Order: sequence, then structure tokens, then C-alpha cells
Amino acid sequence: NAGVTQTPKFQVLKTGQSMTLQCAQDMNHNSMYWYRQDPGMGLRLIYYSASEGTTDKGEVPNGYNVSRLNKREFSLRLESAAPSQTSVYFCASSETTGDYGYTFGSGTRLTVV
Amino acid sequence: GENVEQHPSTLSVQEGDSAVIKCTYSDSASNYFPWYKQELGKRPQLIIDIRSNVGEKKDQRIAVTLNKTAKHFSLHITETQPEDSAVYFCAASHTGRRALTFGSGTRLQVQP
Repeated sequence: NAGVTQTPKFQVLKTGQSMTLQCAQDMNHNSMYWYRQDPGMGLRLIYYSASEGTTDKGEVPNGYNVSRLNKREFSLRLESAAPSQTSVYFCASSETTGDYGYTFGSGTRLTVV
Repeated sequence: GENVEQHPSTLSVQEGDSAVIKCTYSDSASNYFPWYKQELGKRPQLIIDIRSNVGEKKDQRIAVTLNKTAKHFSLHITETQPEDSAVYFCAASHTGRRALTFGSGTRLQVQP
């Protein structure tokens, strides 16, 4: 039982390049999330998927797109990376939205130069 | 939307002392309050949570208290140990809300 698996763990991009962060969970959770973590700013919600087939914007969605490929997988895409997107990205899942705790992936440290 | 404020941003205590971290929230409908611990370079992990039908919850050396009237909740760690050193995040949500809103984090350092 791996929980939430994120790939890659580290990535360096040049400004303007694109990439996709992958996330998969094996806990049969309905809801999945993408957060970014910046120093002193906690965890900010980028996008979430309440259930398979639905996605919605969070607090900081600009510059990102997501795909809920199936119940297990939720990917985050940066179409044209910018230095402001340098951050640590965490995927998480929960049984459903609202009053349930999250299980987080191990994170992706992204640097855009 | 929900706003969660967390204090202090850093906290240094001696081993064996107690540590208290406080959070306030803005949405009176919030009814779920989890706490996460994040060790350096690791993922956040849920350590304790409380729902609004209780005022306090304990799990060994950690406890969380909730004051719904004042809209604040706190994490208490007793008999701190060096392995408690980490960043702690509070969060708030409620049934039907889209996702957790996190506080900005508290870096706790326990001095041996």
C-alpha cells in the first residue's frame, strides 16, 4: 500500500518549458488536490478534484491545468513555466471533500530558471 | 472564503517544556480542524484532528482544544522531545467545503 505517489521528486525547467507532474493514489479516495508550498505561506490550493470526472480551481490556479485521468490519477500541467512557479508541489487525497484528513504525496521540488 | 491565521511563526522550547500553537479561523461554518506535522524535506502528516462537536481531544503528548465562540483552536505538545522539531500546520474546513485552508505554519525547535 503505497498511499500517494508523486513523480518526479525534483525538476529544473527553463522559463517557457512545459511539464506534467503525476500523482496516483491507491486508497480508493474520491477527492484529490494539488497544493504548492512556498516559504512562510503555508500550503495554497491550486486545483482540486472532488470526484472522478470533476475538477475545480483553487486559490492560485493561474498558469496551471489539471486532468483527473481516472479515480486513481490526478496530474498537474505547467504549460509555460515561469520563475514564479518555483515551489514545492504536493498532491494529496482524501475520502471526500470537506471534513476529512488528507494523505500527502512526497512532493515535487520544481525550480524554474 | 475561509482565512486561517497561525501564531507564532517560530517557537523554540527546551526539551521537556510544553509548546502551544494557536490558530484562528474566519468561517463560522467550519467544523473540522486538523493539524499536520512536516519534518524537514518530508511530506505533511496528519497528527491529530478535532471536530466541532468536541472541545478537546488528546493523543498521548499532544492535544487540541477548540473554542467555537471565539473561532480559535490550539495545539498543545507536552514533555517536548527533539523529534518534535518540525513545522506544524493547522487547517480548517467544513462539510461541503471544497478543500482544507491551511495556516502559514509554525517552526518548532526543541533544544536538547
